[in-house]
Amino acid sequence: DAGVIQSPRHEVTEMGQEVTLRCKPISGHDYLFWYRQTMMRGLELLIYFNNNVPIDDSGMPEDRFSAKMPNASFSTLKIQPSEPRDSAVYFCASSLWTANTGELFFGEGSRLTVL
Amino acid sequence: AQSVSQHNHHVILSEAASLELGCNYSYGGTVNLFWYVQYPGQHLQLLLKYFSGDPLVKGIKGFEAEFIKSKFSFNLRKPSVQWSDTAEYFCAVMRNAGNNRKLIWGLGTSLAVNP
Repeated sequence: DAGVIQSPRHEVTEMGQEVTLRCKPISGHDYLFWYRQTMMRGLELLIYFNNNVPIDDSGMPEDRFSAKMPNASFSTLKIQPSEPRDSAVYFCASSLWTANTGELFFGEGSRLTVL
Repeated sequence: AQSVSQHNHHVILSEAASLELGCNYSYGGTVNLFWYVQYPGQHLQLLLKYFSGDPLVKGIKGFEAEFIKSKFSFNLRKPSVQWSDTAEYFCAVMRNAGNNRKLIWGLGTSLAVNP
């Protein structure tokens, strides 16, 4: 199993540019999560999907952030326009929920630097 | 609002020392509890979890954690640490309610084990 695959691993961009982060979850998983990690705030849940449907997007900071999951094998997180305070590591995670497990499988993360 | 508190932000130990990392949460209902680990340069991975049953749970690499409901705690322990345990450790709590799959995370504890 290839695990959760994220791209790009590193992105450096200038303020105002559009950033698109991509995620391929583990095949067969029914939940997909987008997290942001910073030193100051730790891990923050941005949004999560169940069977491609957004369930909770209360963690999305503002309208500049949007996420989509057009099918079971692909999701994007878009920031437009980007700002320096968006600099962070963005993690995607997927899981297959059962009565006895809810383990999240994380990708390697996308480190975003906005100058 | 629900919160997860990890008492130690940075811990430095020598090899063979015993480890206990504290985790307390603020939600009063039924919860699922997790400890994740992030080794340097790697993605987050599950160490252990508690859903129900025996409050003393064992995880990978000799780690264990005890759920004490009356204290709202889920402390992580290892009797003898190794240099390879150097990592960031995260406690996370999920409110066990309906279709909720949202994890609330602690800020993490950075563990450095000196050889």
